[in-house]
Amino acid sequence: EADIYQTPRYLVIGTGKKITLECSQTMGHDKMYWYQQDPGMELHLIHYSYGVNSTEKGDLSSESTVSRIRTEHFPLTLESARPSHTSQYLCASRGSNEQFFGPGTRLTVL
Amino acid sequence: AQSVSQHNHHVILSEAASLELGCNYSYGGTVNLFWYVQYPGQHLQLLLKYFSGDPLVKGIKGFEAEFIKSKFSFNLRKPSVQWSDTAEYFCAVKRGGGADGLTFGKGTHLIIQP
Repeated sequence: EADIYQTPRYLVIGTGKKITLECSQTMGHDKMYWYQQDPGMELHLIHYSYGVNSTEKGDLSSESTVSRIRTEHFPLTLESARPSHTSQYLCASRGSNEQFFGPGTRLTVL
Repeated sequence: AQSVSQHNHHVILSEAASLELGCNYSYGGTVNLFWYVQYPGQHLQLLLKYFSGDPLVKGIKGFEAEFIKSKFSFNLRKPSVQWSDTAEYFCAVKRGGGADGLTFGKGTHLIIQP
């Protein structure tokens, strides 16, 4: 079944660690997105990609980086995690009209 | 920049009550509008969308929304809610101006009491 996957679902990590949040989709979509959502707040677009080797920054400035080496894979990396990075990170991919969302990664940086 | 306002952050209703959740957006040009729902512990999923044509759109699970261009609104409605409608509801607008992605409202937390 076509779907979008994110791992890990929950991550608690210490300050200064490098982390990579994984996102993969089996729907064959070219466009993929990363959103950040703080509790009780709206989702903010932080990165998007139109396809392989394409990455763009979104509305919300983020210290994270992304890469798109394969169509199905769109990982997000934080080189040095800080408590201010504590949030939920949602990955999405888009077909012709609709964005499909993954389950999210809830990140806590101590 | 576009913005989306959802007026009700928390709504509590009894089963069988009628529901209307407000959504207003700021962009004056052509817009694509969406309502997403997030049930407890589940992914965000699309309830309904408007791109063009009939301004009254019907979605899944008995939800509908009306696009009123003059009011920059896209309110979500359901005539009779069920306990299973308890969820977080997000209104979103497709960004224009060549940029991609969605602009979301802050969400409405809906609780349906049995």
